Amino acid sequence: EPEVTQTPSHQVTQMGQEVILRCVPISNHLYFYWYRQILGQKVEFLVSFYNNEISEKSEIFDDQFSVERPDGSNFTLKIRSTKLEDSAMYFCASSDRTSGVGEQFFGPGTRLTVL
Amino acid sequence: GDSVTQMEGPVTLSEEAFLTINCTYTATGYPSLFWYVQYPGEGLQLLLKATKADDKGSNKGFEATYRKETTSFHLEKGSVQVSDSAVYFCALRTNTGGFKTIFGAGTRLFVKA
Repeated sequence: EPEVTQTPSHQVTQMGQEVILRCVPISNHLYFYWYRQILGQKVEFLVSFYNNEISEKSEIFDDQFSVERPDGSNFTLKIRSTKLEDSAMYFCASSDRTSGVGEQFFGPGTRLTVL
Repeated sequence: GDSVTQMEGPVTLSEEAFLTINCTYTATGYPSLFWYVQYPGEGLQLLLKATKADDKGSNKGFEATYRKETTSFHLEKGSVQVSDSAVYFCALRTNTGGFKTIFGAGTRLFVKA
């Protein structure tokens, strides 16, 4: 069964450093998403991406965040200058065109720890 | 804006007890509704879904019915097992804009043997 994959599973970084979180969505999917979950809290929407551009973003997704689909398979989230409060689990998700109102498939997540 | 409200946890039950986790939503239009489960240290797994009013989603003995009149999507299971211990998230998926998923705060379930 196709699945969304994410790398790395755990990333530790120093405050102020840049990190790139990587995701490989399901191959025929067209809509891509990033969510985050601070430990013990709810899952929060960050950004949605379609047709090589951001279609929606939340207040959390400020100028320090960016997303990119550098090739036909990867979808990345970059945090330019990490802060302690960026420590969280980051989930990538994808869905296909015909399921625009249907299921999003979530990856296993990347745990980001900012020291 | 769109939102999901679910009952606070933790919920502690004995094995074979009946489970209900309440979930209500606020949304414009006609969202799809979901329950996700997160086991300790793991990611989000889709448990069940319903895409229109009166649809019943079911999986692994869990079920939930999309009730438009009460804007609810309560999760039920007739007989819980220890292995059902996890955090359960109610969620809705918007049908406009970026089609994002909006999650409730999650309800932690503990099942005792």
